[in-house]
Amino acid sequence: RKEVEQDPGPFNVPEGATVAFNCTYSNSASQSFFWYRQDCRKEPKLLMSVYSSGNEDGRFTAQLNRASQYISLLIRDSKLSDSATYLCVVRNAGNMLTFGGGTRLMVKP
Amino acid sequence: SQTIHQWPATLVQPVGSPLSLECTVEGTSNPNLYWYRQAAGRGLQLLFYSVGIGQISSEVPQNLSASRPQDRQFILSSKKLLLSDSGFYLCAWSAAGALQYFGPGTRLTVT
Repeated sequence: RKEVEQDPGPFNVPEGATVAFNCTYSNSASQSFFWYRQDCRKEPKLLMSVYSSGNEDGRFTAQLNRASQYISLLIRDSKLSDSATYLCVVRNAGNMLTFGGGTRLMVKP
Repeated sequence: SQTIHQWPATLVQPVGSPLSLECTVEGTSNPNLYWYRQAAGRGLQLLFYSVGIGQISSEVPQNLSASRPQDRQFILSSKKLLLSDSGFYLCAWSAAGALQYFGPGTRLTVT
């Protein structure tokens, strides 16, 4: 079983739609959680951290369920520019990051 | 502010040839440095990390090696490339216990 699992997609949605991605992790001792965004042929960039209480940044909302070892990302009012691959990332001891395989989002006009 | 550079941006090399990829960080001291590889359509795989000059930890045994000759320089090398070494190589830096930030990457094709 992979340490961090994501549905690879692609998720094809129209502009303005709401879309949600899920991610599960296997290490119950994982300490921190993040979503990174990766555009085609570019490096990953931090989108947002994920806190147990849930957190929001504009159109993006992240949730963490430690009991179920489950992380989610919700994007409201999707824009064409949201098209990218979204990477679920877990930090374990020693500041090591483990990346999921990514979920590809394509927003269509 | 901190910036991270990688070169070359793209590279095409024949099987059996040597490899040297370079990563440098500006605007910070004593960063943690990382090399990742992303194969086509796959997730990021941590190859090496370093917490200081001359200190290298290997995560995956293979024909690659890493060196850190200076505080803000991290080099990925190979003596003989394999076809399976093709991929997108990403260098990242972090302050101790903080988030990792990635360089622009090197796209390597082994032919």
